[in-house]
Formats: sequence, C-alpha cells, structure tokens
Amino acid sequence: EIVLTQSPDFQSVTPKEKVTITCRASQSIDSNLHWYQQKPDQSPKLLIKYASQSFSGVPSRFSGSGSGTDFTLTINSLEAEDAATYYCHQSSSLPRTFGQGTKVEIK
Amino acid sequence: EVQLVESGGGLVQPGGSLRLSCAASGFTFSSYHMNWVRQAPGKGLEWVAYISSGSSTIYYADSVKGRFTISRDNAKNSLFLQMTSLRAQDTAVYYCAIGQWGFDYWGQGTLVTVSS
Repeated sequence: EIVLTQSPDFQSVTPKEKVTITCRASQSIDSNLHWYQQKPDQSPKLLIKYASQSFSGVPSRFSGSGSGTDFTLTINSLEAEDAATYYCHQSSSLPRTFGQGTKVEIK
Repeated sequence: EVQLVESGGGLVQPGGSLRLSCAASGFTFSSYHMNWVRQAPGKGLEWVAYISSGSSTIYYADSVKGRFTISRDNAKNSLFLQMTSLRAQDTAVYYCAIGQWGFDYWGQGTLVTVSS
C-alpha cells in the first residue's frame, strides 16, 4: 500500500499569504496524484488532477506541482473562503490512498 | 449540473446489514466509473470500492473485502453499496464519487452508524 504523508498537519495563515502543502509518497507514483479541498460539513471537491492539472472551475490561485514521490499544492494569495482541510490522493495503484489531511485556518 | 445523492444510511447494530444508494444525474452515468469513499467522524478519507462503467471490473479495500458489495444499475443511473457484517469501525459518512483516477465529483454523503 502506498502511504501518502502530508505536511504540515495544520497551518494558520493570514489572508493574501501564500500557502504551501506538501505530500510525499512512500514510492514513486509518477504524476498520479490529486488534490481535494474539504470545507467543514461539506464533501470534498477536486482541485488538481495528475499533480498539476487544474480542475474545471477551480480558482487560478490554486496550483500543483511535482512528480515521483514529492508533490506540492500552492495557494497563492489565500482568501478567507479557502479555510478548509486539503487532502492528496494517489491513483497509481490499489488500494487508492489519501494523505492524512492538512487543515488551513485563517488568522 | 452533475448531481450525486446518497441515501440509505442510518443506525445499525454490529453484525447488521445496510444498503446504500447513490442517485446520479446531470451526466451520462453509464459512461463513468464510480467509487465509494468513507470518512469516519473527525477523521480522513478512506477509499472503499470501485466499479467500472460496465461493472466488469470491481475492486475493494481490504478492510471491507468479503463484507461489502458494490454494484450499479445503469438503466436507473444508480450506484449501490451492500454492507454486511457491519462493525463499529465502519461508522462513517459514505460518499459516492465519479472517476477512475481522480475523483471528479462527490455526493453530499450519507452517515452510517454502527452501534448497539
């Protein structure tokens, strides 16, 4: 099973600041890494597919990069509505696995 | 607009059974692979099961293999999860989600509580 480890677990950020979340895979997953945003009491929403492809309708301040074992989700100029937990997810092999999540709080 | 609406959750005793449904609309359901993903209260996401568009390929997480059965009815635009031998650790919100690789869209979820 591929283990995804996100860092940090929690981040408190002021609006307009840049946020960087990393996801490290226990083995190479090429670019088969996806990012989701989950706001409180809502279902997850896809932000980035295949490490760097923005999903339809996602604001341009969200971007992804990386391949192999190390990946990054960047939120440029954080907005108050971005308060959420962010998860990475790999589709390289079964079972599909998720990172433990990174909670982003707005100061 | 893509819509996924789960139903069938509730309170069930350990060892009991439950059948979840996911009603799909706004897209050609028969063309898309589907998944169930769950989230225990206050915890992260766990993939549960996958079914291909024509039901020819099915996968399960080890934690549910032999107890849960995923199925679909393309004529009725519906996805199902039959859950048997339920355990306390199966308590979670269950989401249906579209996609073979990334999960493009998710439903709002249905809560399953396994408790005596």
